[in-house]
Amino acid sequence: EAGVAQSPRYKIIEKRQSVAFWCNPISGHATLYWYQQILGQGPKLLIQFQNNGVVDDSQLPKDRFSAERLKGVDSTLKIQPAKLEDSAVYLCASKIRTGDSPLHFGNGTRLTVT
Amino acid sequence: KQEVTQIPAALSVPEGENLVLNCSFTDSAIYNLQWFRQDPGKGLTSLLLIQSSQREQTSGRLNASLDKSSGRSTLYIAASQPGDSATYLCAVLHQAGTALIFGKGTTLSVSS
Repeated sequence: EAGVAQSPRYKIIEKRQSVAFWCNPISGHATLYWYQQILGQGPKLLIQFQNNGVVDDSQLPKDRFSAERLKGVDSTLKIQPAKLEDSAVYLCASKIRTGDSPLHFGNGTRLTVT
Repeated sequence: KQEVTQIPAALSVPEGENLVLNCSFTDSAIYNLQWFRQDPGKGLTSLLLIQSSQREQTSGRLNASLDKSSGRSTLYIAASQPGDSATYLCAVLHQAGTALIFGKGTTLSVSS
């Protein structure tokens, strides 16, 4: 089966600019997550979707970050305006259902904010 | 608030050694625990998933144990190889339907 696809792989922007990341989960996976991984840290949840509904966005900095999952398949994560501390790898992950099914990750988008 | 700690942060061993990576969590009321591997510039690959009712899981040279009451898990790697060099992350699922909470990982280097 095809894995979780993310694009772009790398992005360099200046602070205060905007950026968007795209994720295509594994076909049939209802649950989708966006994680932020700062260098040397473990991934931190930003937002969790179940189909096209938001389950948990309590750690999403809503003044600058937004995410959507229209039609319950692909998802986009946007940052506007970006800050230096947003430099990180943004990982998308999906699983077939909530609960105990394994989590599958994409390769991530590495964002550098200068 | 659930916190996950991994010790050591980094580990270097010669090829062929058996080794143990440690993971601890503060809230023992977990749904499951998962071990991942992350290669540089890559996403995470799931290695083993242990349900809260299980004590251990095995896959090839990997064995993960879970002691929920003490808030600990270990990942045992037998006969390590240079290809095992990567960062290993432990994550816990606190309740069904919520998201995994990760530790910072242990970076393993196996020399030939």
